[in-house]
Amino acid sequence: GGIITQTPKFLIGQEGQKLTLKCQQNFNHDTMYWYRQDSGKGLRLIYYSITENDLQKGDLSEGYDASREKKSSFSLTVTSAQKNEMAVFLCASSNRVQDTQYFGPGTRLLVL
Amino acid sequence: SQWGEENLQALSIQEGEDVTMNCSYKTYTTVVHWYRQDSGRGPALIILIRSNEREKRSGRLRATLDTSSQSSSLSITAAQCEDTAVYFCATATGGNNKLTFGQGTVLSVIP
Repeated sequence: GGIITQTPKFLIGQEGQKLTLKCQQNFNHDTMYWYRQDSGKGLRLIYYSITENDLQKGDLSEGYDASREKKSSFSLTVTSAQKNEMAVFLCASSNRVQDTQYFGPGTRLLVL
Repeated sequence: SQWGEENLQALSIQEGEDVTMNCSYKTYTTVVHWYRQDSGRGPALIILIRSNEREKRSGRLRATLDTSSQSSSLSITAAQCEDTAVYFCATATGGNNKLTFGQGTVLSVIP
């Protein structure tokens, strides 16, 4: 088994601020993902990475940057937080892009 | 995916009832995953059905796959309060077979 760790658990930011979310996995998976989930809605893919230093845009990449520093970690940056923005950011990993994804507990973002 | 922008569908049933949730997809898939998301947690796989299977069972869960109509269903028999969660289907589509999540269903099981 393995685990996905996301930090921080809660993130409160100010409008216009650059905010970074971190994700670590010990499954030794090749692929990692960042999703955004708004309240009462489904999952929207922001970025994914199929190997270290790879980066692929999802449906919602505008306003975000990502970095796959090493196989086990994948970070997401909100480049300019929007006022009243509130969402949960979920990190996941899998062996290949078509395989089962394992999710972390999420980072809850609130922008004041 | 457009589904991420849609509101989750809502389904409310009494404890002990059976329930079926449906998932339709637009392009050929080799597999359909069904995930469950409990409140405050990330989704987790509960059952997976491949394109060469018509039905798959796991405990009180039953998944079906009809490749001709490009649809899958997840049924829960004798639902219990602890089945209350959000359920998502996901299909491996597109040129790279990337897993894509569909619209979710919020299931509430009332005692």
